Amino acid sequence: SQQGEEDPQALSIQEGENATMNCSYKTSINNLQWYRQNSGRGLVHLILIRSNEREKHSGRLRVTLDTSKKSSSLLITASRAADTASYFCATVRVMDSNYQLIWGAGTKLIIKP
Amino acid sequence: GAGVSQSPSNKVTEKGKDVELRCDPISGHTALYWYRQSLGQGLEFLIYFQGNSAPDKSGLPSDRFSAERTGGSVSTLTIQRTQQEDSAVYLCASSFSGTSWEETQYFGPGTRLLVL
Repeated sequence: SQQGEEDPQALSIQEGENATMNCSYKTSINNLQWYRQNSGRGLVHLILIRSNEREKHSGRLRVTLDTSKKSSSLLITASRAADTASYFCATVRVMDSNYQLIWGAGTKLIIKP
Repeated sequence: GAGVSQSPSNKVTEKGKDVELRCDPISGHTALYWYRQSLGQGLEFLIYFQGNSAPDKSGLPSDRFSAERTGGSVSTLTIQRTQQEDSAVYLCASSFSGTSWEETQYFGPGTRLLVL
């Protein structure tokens, strides 16, 4: 079953604007990861934020995590056409000594040139 | 290899036929995962391998689905007596050990399955 839920489901903005996507989850987590999926290509890992972290940066990406609200946001600054993709959050579920990622349905981001 | 590869990239089959999907993980990666992604949806976990064994088969939708992994490398996902609802993109991912909470999964391009 899906744990993460992203919103909005779809987002269309002009190139150069900032894009913000949100993810909510239901159970406690060890970490939360964001992935990008370009049309016709596989998923690519973007950034991981640990449960004891509140904010993390990577280039034009900024991720925040609020464990009290069980939510995370992904901000892409100065968006580019190449950022057009679907963005997924995934939370870690630990099973014995192994883990698996629980995925949300994703946000489809379209950057208009 | 340089990345995770999957074959075929596209598969069209008739309802009731069996299909085999192949995944070749990154060399040296112990953990291998199969997911299914329906159109416009997120990923649905199917099965996970640690080496050649599958400690978690909880995501397999029915007994028509099975998977194996040999030599700790290549994995095949088999769907018997395919149904139209099996149509989806089947994604494979691998990670170094599958035992770290911070491990990145590396995904293949997927196999797009269409059952007519």
